[in-house]
Amino acid sequence: DIQMTQSPSSLSASVGDRVTITCRASQSVSNYLNWYRQKPGKAPQLLIYAASDLQSGVPSRFSGSGSGTDFTLTISSLQPGDFATYYCQQSYSSPLTFGGGTKVEIK
Amino acid sequence: QVQLAESGGGVVQPGRSLRVACAASGFSFSSYGMHWVRQAPGKGLEWVAVISYDGTNKYYADSVRGRFTISRDNSKNTLNLEMNSLGAEDTAVYYCAKEKSAELFIFDYWGQGILVTVSS
Repeated sequence: DIQMTQSPSSLSASVGDRVTITCRASQSVSNYLNWYRQKPGKAPQLLIYAASDLQSGVPSRFSGSGSGTDFTLTISSLQPGDFATYYCQQSYSSPLTFGGGTKVEIK
Repeated sequence: QVQLAESGGGVVQPGRSLRVACAASGFSFSSYGMHWVRQAPGKGLEWVAVISYDGTNKYYADSVRGRFTISRDNSKNTLNLEMNSLGAEDTAVYYCAKEKSAELFIFDYWGQGILVTVSS
């Protein structure tokens, strides 16, 4: 199974900050890497797919990069609704696996 | 618009069975693979199972293989998960999720989730 490791596991930031979250795969997943945001008590929402493609309707302040084993999600200017938990997910091979999550909290 | 609505959750005793369902609308259900993803209380996301658009291919996480069965009824736009031999480790919110496109294993729409609690 491919293990996905996110860092940090949590961070504190302010509205307007630039935030970067990293995700590392235990083996290459090419660009089969997706990012989701989950607000408390809600279902996850797809933000980025194929490492860098912005899902329709998602604000352009979200961007993704990387390939192979190392990936990054960047929020260029944190908004109040972005305080949530973020997960990466590899769609390269079964079983599909998620990272452990990064909780973004208000500083 | 795409809507996914889970049902059938609740409290079940260890070792017993439970079936959860997902009613889909707003898209051509028979054209997309569908997944179940679960989340234990306070924990992260865990993929559970996938079924292809036509029901011919099914894959499971090791943790549920042999105990859970995913199925679909394309005539009723319904996805199902039959869960047997349930244990405390199966306590979670269960989400159904739609694939963005065939076999890409990207989840573009999710249901609101249904809580399954395994407890005596």
